[in-house]
Amino acid sequence: AQKITQTQPGMFVQEKEAVTLDCTYDTSDPSYGLFWYKQPSSGEMIFLIYQGSYDQQNATEGRYSLNFQKARKSANLVISASQLGDSAMYFCAMRESLQETSGSRLTFGEGTQLTVNP
Amino acid sequence: NAGVTQTPKFQVLKTGQSMTLQCAQDMNHNSMYWYRQDPGMGLRLIYYSASEGTTDKGEVPNGYNVSRLNKREFSLRLESAAPSQTSVYFCAGQGPNRQETQYFGPGTRLLVL
Repeated sequence: AQKITQTQPGMFVQEKEAVTLDCTYDTSDPSYGLFWYKQPSSGEMIFLIYQGSYDQQNATEGRYSLNFQKARKSANLVISASQLGDSAMYFCAMRESLQETSGSRLTFGEGTQLTVNP
Repeated sequence: NAGVTQTPKFQVLKTGQSMTLQCAQDMNHNSMYWYRQDPGMGLRLIYYSASEGTTDKGEVPNGYNVSRLNKREFSLRLESAAPSQTSVYFCAGQGPNRQETQYFGPGTRLLVL
């Protein structure tokens, strides 16, 4: 069974500084994907960044980058130049292929609440 | 292009009442999903539909049924609501490739008294 662990229930960062949100995972599937979603206080789930297990380079999307260390089974999210609007809950998720169908399911961690201070 | 939409946004039920949560997508997604999110937890998969005409159980299917009415619509039904089903429900869609990202609707907040 897959497992996603986010060990930081809460993180604080000063505006304009960088912050790293930790995520470790466990899976026996050689082909998997790792996602980060942002959930602001309004409640919607916003896709941020994706890393495939076979991707050679770390994924980047604007101020977001994913520090993928496959041997350590970690997929940490790095947010550079934090902004007040980055204050939100952040979820790490792993895709598991559903062999009997063409679909897949996401397994989520418990999330990290990020607060950006002015 | 509205993406993934859900109705209603908020609902209060009494124990034993039934209701259907609606989800529709205009992104031509093949696969659709229903998740629930409880306080302090990540999302857990209730049911999914890998393609039109098929549905399968996820991690927490008890107390729910689903219908994939057509490619666009995927509904979740609570036949006899229980307080334990108080949660936020998210619908998501995903394209034909397993590597594709799942995109979520805005969520439905359900309170069962």
